[in-house]
Amino acid sequence: SQQGEEDPQALSIQEGENATMNCSYKTSINNLQWYRQNSGRGLVHLILIRSNEREKHSGRLRVTLDTSKKSSSLLITASRAADTASYFCGPQGGSEKLVFGKGTKLTVNP
Amino acid sequence: DGGITQSPKYLFRKEGQNVTLSCEQNLNHDAMYWYRQDPGQGLRLIYYSQIVNDFQKGDIAEGYSVSREKKESFPLTVTSAQKNPTAFYLCASSFARKQPQHFGDGTRLSIL
Repeated sequence: SQQGEEDPQALSIQEGENATMNCSYKTSINNLQWYRQNSGRGLVHLILIRSNEREKHSGRLRVTLDTSKKSSSLLITASRAADTASYFCGPQGGSEKLVFGKGTKLTVNP
Repeated sequence: DGGITQSPKYLFRKEGQNVTLSCEQNLNHDAMYWYRQDPGQGLRLIYYSQIVNDFQKGDIAEGYSVSREKKESFPLTVTSAQKNPTAFYLCASSFARKQPQHFGDGTRLSIL
């Protein structure tokens, strides 16, 4: 089944800076989903981008998708301490299960 | 408020014991999932169900069992055959397979 691989594994920035994390996958997809996980909690869905979309925005979040490179990126602008969390991507093909990678651990320092 | 509830938050298992983790949702979702997360790792799919009275094995089903007798409920039993059950277990649900998943806050299982 499809699995996303997030990069970098860890990212540490100062409050107010932008954070960019990337996701690569191997086969064709119908959609790709991004999730956030705060420590000790469940995942929270952030954005779903379909294979025929190139960019999507939600508040301070911007997701891009390049199907030719089989990659996606999540940009968090003007980061806040509350954005500290792990971020996971989930590429999803035809009838495939959603399989998450190990995530990017983001730390936003006040 | 609609949501997905997992209980208990913490669970301890003795050697040779089966334990059952509860997952209940009131979101009217058809699909439900169980994942296992080990420290510093991603989520691995244990079982999933697309509809009542039907479920499929995920990537790591050995040592686990599930039932789906009601739309709202998808309990997971960790059997004594699962030799390394210590992990964080997450339940999720969605309207359909390709829709965003809603997660509970997990059950942390440890061995006594």
